[in-house]
Amino acid sequence: SAVISQKPSRDICQRGTSLTIQCQVDSQVTMMFWYRQQPGQSLTLIATANQGSEATYESGFVIDKFPISRPNLTFSTLTVSNMSPEDSSIYLCSVEGQGGNEKLFFGSGTQLSVL
Amino acid sequence: AQTVTQSQPEMSVQEAETVTLSCTYDTSENNYYLFWYKQPPSRQMILVIRQEAYKQQNATENRFSVNFQKAAKSFSLKISDSQLGDTAMYFCAFMEPRGDYKLSFGAGTTVTVRA
Repeated sequence: SAVISQKPSRDICQRGTSLTIQCQVDSQVTMMFWYRQQPGQSLTLIATANQGSEATYESGFVIDKFPISRPNLTFSTLTVSNMSPEDSSIYLCSVEGQGGNEKLFFGSGTQLSVL
Repeated sequence: AQTVTQSQPEMSVQEAETVTLSCTYDTSENNYYLFWYKQPPSRQMILVIRQEAYKQQNATENRFSVNFQKAAKSFSLKISDSQLGDTAMYFCAFMEPRGDYKLSFGAGTTVTVRA
């Protein structure tokens, strides 16, 4: 499985500010994904980030609020913009497994608290 | 999105004993993939086991095994010889064979292993 590094691991932010989360993979992957896990909840897919094209957002998530970059096959960023306390969640980066085996691997997540 | 149901919010098990977590799902597809992920307090989502729907044989990974009942749309996880390190939230997840790697997660079951 790929080694996925996510930064920062946690942060406390003021409302109205923005935070950019980085995801670095130790091998080239075609698909990268960003998930949100609200407190005590399950995971919800925010968007799929493919290199060379704009991210594809799921219903309920928009680019203005969650802009995503994917400059190459090993790196992606998710920005949480104009934050409010409702954005307090764990944000997780995930990547496809190698060899087309329909496995998805996750980074260690970013714990975000918005005051 | 597919519906994945985990009806047990919490389970407790004595160390060295066996615990079974239930998961049901709803789909009209004939082929798909099912997963169990473990999320310890560290937040890391760890892939425990994967099952391909077209394979009748139940998947096994060391102390973890599944009971896949395709007709009943049931996918339970059995943890044998439970260890303290198994204490975590366990999520059941579903993936359609569309090549987009999108996962639908259940609500999760918190497993506590008692010494």
